[in-house]
Amino acid sequence: SYELTQPPSVSVSPGQTARITCSGDALPKQYAYWYQQKPGQAPVLVIYKDSERPSGIPERFSGSSSGTTVTLTISGVQAEDEADYYCQSADSSGTFVVFGGGTKLTVL
Amino acid sequence: QVQLQESGPGLVKPSQTLSLTCTVSGGSISSGSYYWSWIRQPAGKGLEWIGRIYTSGSTNYNPSLKSRVTISVDTSKNQFSLKLSSVTAADTAVYYCARSPRAMGNWFDPWGQGTLVTVSS
Repeated sequence: SYELTQPPSVSVSPGQTARITCSGDALPKQYAYWYQQKPGQAPVLVIYKDSERPSGIPERFSGSSSGTTVTLTISGVQAEDEADYYCQSADSSGTFVVFGGGTKLTVL
Repeated sequence: QVQLQESGPGLVKPSQTLSLTCTVSGGSISSGSYYWSWIRQPAGKGLEWIGRIYTSGSTNYNPSLKSRVTISVDTSKNQFSLKLSSVTAADTAVYYCARSPRAMGNWFDPWGQGTLVTVSS
């Protein structure tokens, strides 16, 4: 079955830049999406179609894509950004949805 | 703005069928532009897509759950539902419903708040 691979954890100091990667063989063909999830809350979409930012999401959140890897970048990380982040995409046919295993972002 | 709300029993016995409903408010489930999905998350673990339905009734299911899952839609009530049969403790999770566009991508927005289902005797 198709999988998306994320690092389990990323740590950064406030004000620094956090980069979270997500790798998958079908990513050159399928868009990637990113979600932020805080404890006890439902996930919130922060990036769609690789690099688009929904309204209401701060500009410090950005996304990029290169080959089989997509990256979520959080510039000028703030304490409130500490959360779990999940990438999501689809298999090469676009029929089946898949999530990455999630990355816990710790703000030191 | 569209809002989704899950409902159903919080406790299900092993080997029985888990049944949940998602009620859509602020918009019509029949708009024709969206898929309606179920996603779950065991405590302390990641997200798992269960499957989705289009208002025509066409469905796609996660291959790992396909043999046990049925998703249906009731446009008259603006609801869609999940049935998961032969449950075990491994099916204990927070279950979310969510909307995704039918074209131009597969992102989920909005999500329901989630409902915890525990499988236990």
